[in-house]
Amino acid sequence: KAGVTQTPRYLIKTRGQQVTLSCSPISGHRSVSWYQQTPGQGLQFLFEYFSETQRNKGNFPGRFSGRQFSNSRSEMNVSTLELGDSALYLCASSLAEGWTEAFFGQGTRLTVV
Amino acid sequence: DAKTTQPNSMESNEEEPVHLPCNHSTISGTDYIHWYRQLPSQGPEYVIHGLTSNVNNRMASLAIAEDRKSSTLILHRATLRDAAVYYCILRDGNQGGKLIFGQGTELSVKP
Repeated sequence: KAGVTQTPRYLIKTRGQQVTLSCSPISGHRSVSWYQQTPGQGLQFLFEYFSETQRNKGNFPGRFSGRQFSNSRSEMNVSTLELGDSALYLCASSLAEGWTEAFFGQGTRLTVV
Repeated sequence: DAKTTQPNSMESNEEEPVHLPCNHSTISGTDYIHWYRQLPSQGPEYVIHGLTSNVNNRMASLAIAEDRKSSTLILHRATLRDAAVYYCILRDGNQGGKLIFGQGTELSVKP
């Protein structure tokens, strides 16, 4: 079966712009989480959604937001982009909330110039 | 969030066993021990998890100390494809699905 699909794979944006990233979880999975990976900070948890509700949120400013749709697909949005937002953004899906195994996509590489 | 401590890097020879240690002295009773690995240019991949007892699956074994303050991921026969960053993560069973990653151990495998 198809894995977690993230689009786009690569993105270049200018400071001050906003960006929307998309994640399609594995079919049947209802929980989606987002992570940011940078060389300096490593992998950091952004937020988790289950049944269209945000269940957990990491320590990121309000410029970072997300949502989940009824088909479990999820989007995350970053407004007023800063250079420091350049990172690999990873999405993970799980069968259910708190399910043991999370499946990660290949990520979206965002570069802010 | 409970923290884990892992060596920054380890080396192994191909086809030899590898023992990757993890210390988690502040683990709580509801924390599960998870291991993920990240191969170059890929997202993390689930390896194994456990609570109190040792666990085996097709990828690896997880040995958990009796006091649960440390654990060891065991790769029985390392291959070149096992070269990756391995993350030991404590996940609170009451806190949903979030994973708090540390810096991990970068494993290199020599032919």
